[in-house]
Amino acid sequence: NAGVTQTPKFQVLKTGQSMTLQCAQDMNHEYMSWYRQDPGMGLRLIHYSVGAGITDQGEVPNGYNVSRSTTEDFPLRLLSAAPSQTSVYFCASSYYDRIPYEQYFGPGTRLTVT
Amino acid sequence: DAKTTQPPSMDCAEGRAANLPCNHSTISGNEYVYWYRQIHSQGPQYIIHGLKNNETNEMASLIITEDRKSSTLILPHATLRDTAVYYCIVRVDGTASKLTFGTGTRLQVTL
Repeated sequence: NAGVTQTPKFQVLKTGQSMTLQCAQDMNHEYMSWYRQDPGMGLRLIHYSVGAGITDQGEVPNGYNVSRSTTEDFPLRLLSAAPSQTSVYFCASSYYDRIPYEQYFGPGTRLTVT
Repeated sequence: DAKTTQPPSMDCAEGRAANLPCNHSTISGNEYVYWYRQIHSQGPQYIIHGLKNNETNEMASLIITEDRKSSTLILPHATLRDTAVYYCIVRVDGTASKLTFGTGTRLQVTL
Protein backbone atom coordinates (compact mmCIF):
# COMPACT_ATOMS: atom_id res chain seq x y z
CA ASN A 1 0.00 0.00 0.00
CA ALA A 2 1.19 3.48 -0.88
CA GLY A 3 -1.04 4.91 1.87
CA VAL A 4 -1.96 8.56 1.41
CA THR A 5 -0.13 10.36 -1.36
CA GLN A 6 -0.10 14.09 -2.07
CA THR A 7 1.14 16.06 -5.03
CA PRO A 8 2.90 18.37 -5.47
CA LYS A 9 5.30 18.44 -2.50
CA PHE A 10 6.10 22.11 -3.00
CA GLN A 11 4.32 24.88 -4.89
CA VAL A 12 4.77 28.62 -5.31
CA LEU A 13 1.84 30.64 -6.58
CA LYS A 14 1.27 34.27 -7.32
CA THR A 15 -1.68 36.05 -5.75
CA GLY A 16 -4.82 35.38 -7.74
CA GLN A 17 -3.66 32.15 -9.36
CA SER A 18 -5.63 28.98 -8.92
CA MET A 19 -4.42 25.43 -8.49
CA THR A 20 -5.44 21.98 -7.34
CA LEU A 21 -3.70 19.98 -4.63
CA GLN A 22 -4.04 16.28 -5.26
CA CYS A 23 -4.68 13.62 -2.62
CA ALA A 24 -5.14 9.90 -3.17
CA GLN A 25 -5.39 6.87 -0.88
CA ASP A 26 -5.38 3.16 -1.67
CA MET A 27 -6.80 1.83 1.60
CA ASN A 28 -10.48 2.01 0.59
CA HIS A 29 -11.14 4.55 3.33
CA GLU A 30 -14.50 6.24 3.33
CA TYR A 31 -13.44 9.34 5.28
CA MET A 32 -11.01 11.86 3.80
CA SER A 33 -10.11 15.34 4.95
CA TRP A 34 -7.88 18.31 4.31
CA TYR A 35 -6.04 20.25 7.02
CA ARG A 36 -3.75 23.24 6.91
CA GLN A 37 -0.93 23.92 9.33
CA ASP A 38 0.52 27.36 9.78
CA PRO A 39 3.96 27.82 11.42
CA GLY A 40 3.93 26.92 15.12
CA MET A 41 0.26 26.03 15.02
CA GLY A 42 -1.80 22.88 15.18
CA LEU A 43 -3.70 21.55 12.19
CA ARG A 44 -7.03 23.11 11.21
CA LEU A 45 -9.71 21.29 9.22
CA ILE A 46 -10.60 22.79 5.82
CA HIS A 47 -13.02 20.31 4.23
CA TYR A 48 -13.90 16.68 4.69
CA SER A 49 -15.80 13.87 2.98
CA VAL A 50 -17.51 10.76 4.35
CA GLY A 51 -17.77 9.08 0.97
CA ALA A 52 -17.88 9.58 -2.78
CA GLY A 53 -20.24 12.40 -3.68
CA ILE A 54 -20.42 13.76 -0.13
CA THR A 55 -18.38 16.71 1.13
CA ASP A 56 -18.73 19.21 3.94
CA GLN A 57 -16.96 22.23 5.36
CA GLY A 58 -14.54 22.23 8.24
CA GLU A 59 -13.51 25.21 10.35
CA VAL A 60 -11.56 27.18 7.70
CA PRO A 61 -13.25 26.47 4.31
CA ASN A 62 -13.19 29.94 2.74
CA GLY A 63 -11.16 30.12 -0.45
CA TYR A 64 -11.13 26.36 -1.00
CA ASN A 65 -13.31 23.91 -2.92
CA VAL A 66 -13.37 20.13 -2.84
CA SER A 67 -15.10 17.31 -4.66
CA ARG A 68 -15.12 13.55 -4.18
CA SER A 69 -15.98 11.68 -7.35
CA THR A 70 -14.20 8.46 -6.32
CA THR A 71 -13.36 6.77 -3.03
CA GLU A 72 -9.64 7.12 -3.75
CA ASP A 73 -9.27 10.80 -4.66
CA PHE A 74 -10.03 14.02 -2.80
CA PRO A 75 -8.56 17.08 -4.56
CA LEU A 76 -8.44 20.52 -2.93
CA ARG A 77 -8.85 23.54 -5.18
CA LEU A 78 -7.61 27.01 -4.37
CA LEU A 79 -9.85 29.35 -6.31
CA SER A 80 -7.82 32.57 -6.17
CA ALA A 81 -4.67 32.21 -4.09
CA ALA A 82 -3.93 34.77 -1.37
CA PRO A 83 -0.80 35.21 0.80
CA SER A 84 -2.90 34.13 3.81
CA GLN A 85 -3.12 30.68 2.23
CA THR A 86 0.62 30.16 2.55
CA SER A 87 0.73 27.02 4.66
CA VAL A 88 1.43 23.31 4.72
CA TYR A 89 -1.55 21.26 3.59
CA PHE A 90 -2.16 17.73 4.81
CA CYS A 91 -4.63 15.22 3.49
CA ALA A 92 -5.84 12.43 5.76
CA SER A 93 -8.03 9.37 5.44
CA SER A 94 -9.60 6.76 7.70
CA TYR A 95 -12.38 4.22 7.89
CA TYR A 96 -15.67 5.86 8.74
CA ASP A 97 -16.99 3.57 11.43
CA ARG A 98 -14.12 1.35 12.53
CA ILE A 99 -12.56 1.96 15.96
CA PRO A 100 -9.91 3.19 16.52
CA TYR A 101 -10.41 6.15 14.25
CA GLU A 102 -6.82 6.12 13.18
CA GLN A 103 -6.34 8.77 10.55
CA TYR A 104 -3.53 8.29 8.07
CA PHE A 105 -1.87 11.48 6.91
CA GLY A 106 -0.07 12.25 3.71
CA PRO A 107 3.40 13.87 3.60
CA GLY A 108 2.02 17.35 3.00
CA THR A 109 2.17 20.03 0.31
CA ARG A 110 4.11 23.17 1.16
CA LEU A 111 2.44 26.11 -0.53
CA THR A 112 3.80 29.64 -0.75
CA VAL A 113 1.68 32.44 -2.18
CA THR A 114 3.55 35.61 -3.11
CA ASP B 1 -14.80 17.84 22.11
CA ALA B 2 -13.03 18.52 25.41
CA LYS B 3 -10.10 20.92 25.55
CA THR B 4 -6.64 19.58 26.37
CA THR B 5 -3.61 21.23 27.99
CA GLN B 6 -0.05 20.06 27.38
CA PRO B 7 3.35 21.52 28.31
CA PRO B 8 4.90 23.24 25.30
CA SER B 9 8.19 21.36 25.47
CA MET B 10 10.06 18.57 27.25
CA ASP B 11 13.50 17.02 27.08
CA CYS B 12 14.43 13.38 27.55
CA ALA B 13 17.74 11.52 27.46
CA GLU B 14 17.99 8.74 24.93
CA GLY B 15 17.20 5.36 26.45
CA ARG B 16 15.17 6.84 29.28
CA ALA B 17 11.39 6.82 29.54
CA ALA B 18 9.61 9.89 28.21
CA ASN B 19 6.46 10.75 30.15
CA LEU B 20 4.24 13.26 28.37
CA PRO B 21 1.32 14.63 30.42
CA CYS B 22 -2.02 15.86 29.19
CA ASN B 23 -4.77 17.55 31.16
CA HIS B 24 -8.37 17.10 29.97
CA SER B 25 -10.36 18.06 33.04
CA THR B 26 -13.62 18.65 31.11
CA ILE B 27 -13.65 15.27 29.41
CA SER B 28 -17.04 13.63 29.04
CA GLY B 29 -17.85 10.01 29.74
CA ASN B 30 -18.03 9.05 26.07
CA GLU B 31 -14.84 10.83 24.99
CA TYR B 32 -11.67 8.93 24.19
CA VAL B 33 -8.10 10.15 24.57
CA TYR B 34 -6.01 9.90 21.40
CA TRP B 35 -2.32 10.59 20.95
CA TYR B 36 -0.67 11.51 17.67
CA ARG B 37 2.84 12.71 16.92
CA GLN B 38 4.34 14.78 14.13
CA ILE B 39 7.97 14.26 13.26
CA HIS B 40 9.70 17.22 11.66
CA SER B 41 6.78 18.60 9.61
CA GLN B 42 5.71 15.21 8.30
CA GLY B 43 2.05 14.27 8.50
CA PRO B 44 0.85 13.36 12.00
CA GLN B 45 0.99 9.70 13.00
CA TYR B 46 -1.43 7.85 15.27
CA ILE B 47 0.18 6.42 18.41
CA ILE B 48 -2.46 5.10 20.80
CA HIS B 49 -5.88 5.77 22.24
CA GLY B 50 -7.93 4.82 25.32
CA LEU B 51 -11.15 5.40 27.21
CA LYS B 52 -10.47 4.64 30.86
CA ASN B 53 -8.22 1.60 31.07
CA ASN B 54 -4.48 1.81 30.60
CA GLU B 55 -3.39 0.80 27.12
CA THR B 56 -0.14 -0.45 25.63
CA ASN B 57 0.99 -1.13 22.10
CA GLU B 58 4.30 -1.52 20.32
CA MET B 59 4.91 2.22 20.31
CA ALA B 60 3.82 3.45 23.73
CA SER B 61 1.73 3.13 26.87
CA LEU B 62 -1.19 5.32 27.85
CA ILE B 63 -2.03 5.84 31.50
CA ILE B 64 -5.38 7.48 32.24
CA THR B 65 -6.18 8.61 35.79
CA GLU B 66 -9.17 7.10 37.51
CA ASP B 67 -11.16 10.35 37.27
CA ARG B 68 -10.10 10.58 33.59
CA LYS B 69 -9.13 14.23 33.98
CA SER B 70 -5.56 13.64 32.89
CA SER B 71 -3.40 11.11 31.09
CA THR B 72 0.25 10.35 30.43
CA LEU B 73 1.82 8.99 27.29
CA ILE B 74 4.89 6.91 28.05
CA LEU B 75 7.61 6.12 25.54
CA PRO B 76 9.50 3.47 27.53
CA HIS B 77 12.92 3.81 25.89
CA ALA B 78 13.07 7.04 23.96
CA THR B 79 15.33 7.25 20.92
CA LEU B 80 16.45 10.20 18.82
CA ARG B 81 13.79 9.19 16.28
CA ASP B 82 11.11 9.95 18.89
CA THR B 83 11.93 13.67 18.73
CA ALA B 84 8.61 15.13 17.57
CA VAL B 85 5.57 17.17 18.54
CA TYR B 86 3.09 15.05 20.48
CA TYR B 87 -0.59 15.89 20.38
CA CYS B 88 -3.15 14.79 22.95
CA ILE B 89 -6.66 14.85 21.48
CA VAL B 90 -9.99 14.10 23.11
CA ARG B 91 -12.88 13.10 20.92
CA VAL B 92 -16.13 11.16 20.88
CA ASP B 93 -15.96 7.83 19.10
CA GLY B 94 -18.93 7.03 16.94
CA THR B 95 -17.95 7.72 13.40
CA ALA B 96 -14.91 9.34 11.87
CA SER B 97 -14.70 13.06 12.30
CA LYS B 98 -12.20 15.84 12.58
CA LEU B 99 -9.27 15.77 14.95
CA THR B 100 -8.83 18.99 16.93
CA PHE B 101 -5.11 19.63 17.20
CA GLY B 102 -3.71 22.01 19.78
CA THR B 103 -0.07 23.06 19.77
CA GLY B 104 1.12 19.85 21.46
CA THR B 105 4.34 19.09 23.35
CA ARG B 106 7.63 19.31 21.55
CA LEU B 107 9.73 16.40 22.83
CA GLN B 108 13.47 16.67 22.30
CA VAL B 109 15.40 13.44 22.84
CA THR B 110 19.10 14.02 23.41
CA LEU B 111 22.22 11.86 23.64
